[in-house]
Amino acid sequence: EAQVTQNPRYLITVTGKKLTVTCSQNMNHEYMSWYRQDPGLGLRQIYYSMNVEVTDKGDVPEGYKVSRKEKRNFPLILESPSPNQTSLYFCASSLFGQGDPQETQYFGPGTRLLVL
Amino acid sequence: QKEVEQDPGPLSVPEGAIVSLNCTYSNSAFQYFMWYRQYSRKGPELLMYTYSSGNKEDGRFTAQVDKSSKYISLFIRDSQPSDSATYLCATTNQAGTALIFGKGTTLSVSS
Repeated sequence: EAQVTQNPRYLITVTGKKLTVTCSQNMNHEYMSWYRQDPGLGLRQIYYSMNVEVTDKGDVPEGYKVSRKEKRNFPLILESPSPNQTSLYFCASSLFGQGDPQETQYFGPGTRLLVL
Repeated sequence: QKEVEQDPGPLSVPEGAIVSLNCTYSNSAFQYFMWYRQYSRKGPELLMYTYSSGNKEDGRFTAQVDKSSKYISLFIRDSQPSDSATYLCATTNQAGTALIFGKGTTLSVSS
């Protein structure tokens, strides 16, 4: 089954304790991306990766890092989480990017993060 | 001004009603628009897309774009309880690197 998986699905942590949210896709997609979803703000892009060699910042990259060492995985790293990073996080992937509407972007199930 | 604006609702309708969900956008350069559906505790999934100059019908769903007023609509005919979800309008940035979403409208269809 074609899918994007994320782990963990739920996480409660404390300020400053480094954490990693994993993302993996099994569709051989080049493009992967992270979004956060907040009430009243909607979905906003954090980082994206066009392929293994290219990653770049989205609209809200502050406090986050990403890594794309292999095509299928795109972990999101919070080196020193703060309460304002409490949010619902989604990983997404598509074949090449967002330039073609026929190229569906697949979203993972989400990771709900609470930073105390 | 946000690039894509969407009334968050919530919107409650009885089963069988016609539902109209709407968004406005600010940049006339946007070339196509998408509607995503997000069930509770799930990721968004693409429902349908349409180019900036046309309409599209898929079963009970119809997507429309009015370029002159920069208005995007999704109509759901014969709404069902299974249509209860949050509906997100979206477009893509010009670089093709990100989706730009509206805030989403939460729809509840009661049986």
